[in-house]
Amino acid sequence: KAGVTQTPRYLIKTRGQQVTLSCSPISGHRSVSWYQQTPGQGLQFLFEYFSETQRNKGNFPGRFSGRQFSNSRSEMNVSTLELGDSALYLCASSKTGQGQQETQYFGPGTRLLVL
Amino acid sequence: GNSVTQMEGPVTLSEEAFLTINCTYTATGYPSLFWYVQYPGEGLQLLLKATKADDKGSNKGFEATYRKETTSFHLEKGSVQVSDSAVYFCALSDRYNFNKFYFGSGTKLNVKP
Repeated sequence: KAGVTQTPRYLIKTRGQQVTLSCSPISGHRSVSWYQQTPGQGLQFLFEYFSETQRNKGNFPGRFSGRQFSNSRSEMNVSTLELGDSALYLCASSKTGQGQQETQYFGPGTRLLVL
Repeated sequence: GNSVTQMEGPVTLSEEAFLTINCTYTATGYPSLFWYVQYPGEGLQLLLKATKADDKGSNKGFEATYRKETTSFHLEKGSVQVSDSAVYFCALSDRYNFNKFYFGSGTKLNVKP
């Protein structure tokens, strides 16, 4: 069974640009969550999507947005990039995200560098 | 609110030594607790989990017991190997927002041969 895949694995952008990251969940999983990992702030929850709807949101500015498609694939977008957006962005999937017996599986991440 | 506190790293041990990484949490209600491991250049892998008080999660020789009275979920292993060198994250989720994880800051473990 294929795991969570994220593309691209590495990105270099400049300040002011925008970026789109993609996540394909494990087959059959309908819940997709996104996290930002930085040395200073650690791992922080961005948002969660289920059945094409944002179900939960963390404390990030509106420059961070996401969406989910009917096949459960998800994208996140960051507009007007700032230097502080440099981070590893991790995607995680689970079947429904509504049961304590479920497991959330993480992808390898996309490393974004903003210059 | 929800939060997780982990012991600061790095932790450096010799092969076959005993490992403990402390984790305490603050949560409303009854959270689920997790340990994830991150190897260099990779994402997070679930190591073990516990969903209610007194549950013991275990995997690959690692163990952690959900202690409600001390709000702790310490990770232990009796004999570490060089291949265990990685960063370990303690995390919690509450039962109403299951996929909204709160992570600790991570503890880097270095195991020397």
